[in-house]
Amino acid sequence: QSALTQPPSASGSPGQSVTISCTGTSSDVGGYNYVSWYQQHPGKAPKLMIYEVSKRPSGVPDRFSGSKSGNTASLTVSGLQAEDEADYYCSSYAGSNNFYVFGTGTKVTVL
Amino acid sequence: EVQLVESGGGLVQPGGSLRLSCAASGFTFSSYEMNWVRQAPGKGLEWVSYISSSGSTIYYADSVKGRFTISRDNAKNSLYLQMNSLRAEDTAVYYCARENGVAPLDYWGQGTLVTVSS
Repeated sequence: QSALTQPPSASGSPGQSVTISCTGTSSDVGGYNYVSWYQQHPGKAPKLMIYEVSKRPSGVPDRFSGSKSGNTASLTVSGLQAEDEADYYCSSYAGSNNFYVFGTGTKVTVL
Repeated sequence: EVQLVESGGGLVQPGGSLRLSCAASGFTFSSYEMNWVRQAPGKGLEWVSYISSSGSTIYYADSVKGRFTISRDNAKNSLYLQMNSLRAEDTAVYYCARENGVAPLDYWGQGTLVTVSS
């Protein structure tokens, strides 16, 4: 059960956009449309931001969007705001053997 | 309001055991699959275990298979994680999380810290 690969960090100025990649394999990200993204502020529990690749739960701003191409999923945060500064984790369903796998995490800094 | 409250964490010696609980409220607990996810200090998230709404289907991460046991009591709206043969690398904050559909964990508890150390 290898973790999905994310860049350690990403940054942008307020109002700009930042995109985070999440690379897996054909056994997880590439094999299923069950990629989720979570936001985690320091000392807090993760919060679901995107599910099933590109769907937003109620209450999540439409500045957050998700996509997938092959074995790589992406999260884009548009119109960066100070409160978007957090750690972001992707996850994917990986079948009945490995079930779920998380990404390595990306720290987003708002400059 | 959906609430998940974990308890049972603490300091335990290597080789010891601990039982975590997660009390659920604000939703029909028996209708939802549940998961345990952990986070070692300063590290990323790691999925630990899954249990179906009825408890009939269970999965574990390889890192805990054979040592941890997930269970639930739908009458008590509670989720459990029995952890045996604990190792230093099991030190982490353990979160219970509700699953809504396939994969999305839409509600999380505040977590309970497990420290394995002599």
